[in-house]
Amino acid sequence: QQQVKQSPQSLIVQKGGISIINCAYENTAFDYFPWYQQFPGKGPALLIAIRPDVSEKKEGRFTISFNKSAKQFSLHIMDSQPGDSATYFCAASGSARQLTFGSGTQLTVLP
Amino acid sequence: GAVVSQHPSWVICKSGTSVKIECRSLDFQATTMFWYRQFPKQSLMLMATSNEGSKATYEQGVEKDKFLINHASLTLSTLTVTSAHPEDSSFYICSASDVNSYNSPLHFGNGTRLTVT
Repeated sequence: QQQVKQSPQSLIVQKGGISIINCAYENTAFDYFPWYQQFPGKGPALLIAIRPDVSEKKEGRFTISFNKSAKQFSLHIMDSQPGDSATYFCAASGSARQLTFGSGTQLTVLP
Repeated sequence: GAVVSQHPSWVICKSGTSVKIECRSLDFQATTMFWYRQFPKQSLMLMATSNEGSKATYEQGVEKDKFLINHASLTLSTLTVTSAHPEDSSFYICSASDVNSYNSPLHFGNGTRLTVT
């Protein structure tokens, strides 16, 4: 089944803290795992993405950790800021480039 | 960087009318574009895959006669919601990737908020 399970559904973090969102997938044919940030009324914006040949990728304050054997990947937002408050979606796709999205995490960063 | 433009950003129409939504890749060619629908506080659900020069592929449960997709060029795909009803009110979002780069990311438009009254 082409599901991507995401948790938690919502997350509240203090400014400067670390936000961690987790996803798990089932389809071993997936080979591309992006994370998107979405603000209300806007389309999703690509934050960072990883392929299964690496276990970690870091871009600025955003890090993806990838565990191929467990079929899990996570997003870590370091030094979280109020401007990071948004909905975050993990996703996965295979060669067809059709993205299957997780259910989303609403992140609130308190000032 | 790569940009996907979607138009209109919002539209209100009366029940029974049709609405066309455009999705353009502005600085790259996209053989394939994807159309998603998103209900409030929910995730994006893939509706169909739009292929340039051929028929779109629809996901299970999506009525192809109601959601007409045309991908006439490498930079433009359109979604027409025919005979719209209030239950079609949703946020419609398209995405595209650069045909010349397998590793290029999928970029999304800013969505179209459709309200059917």
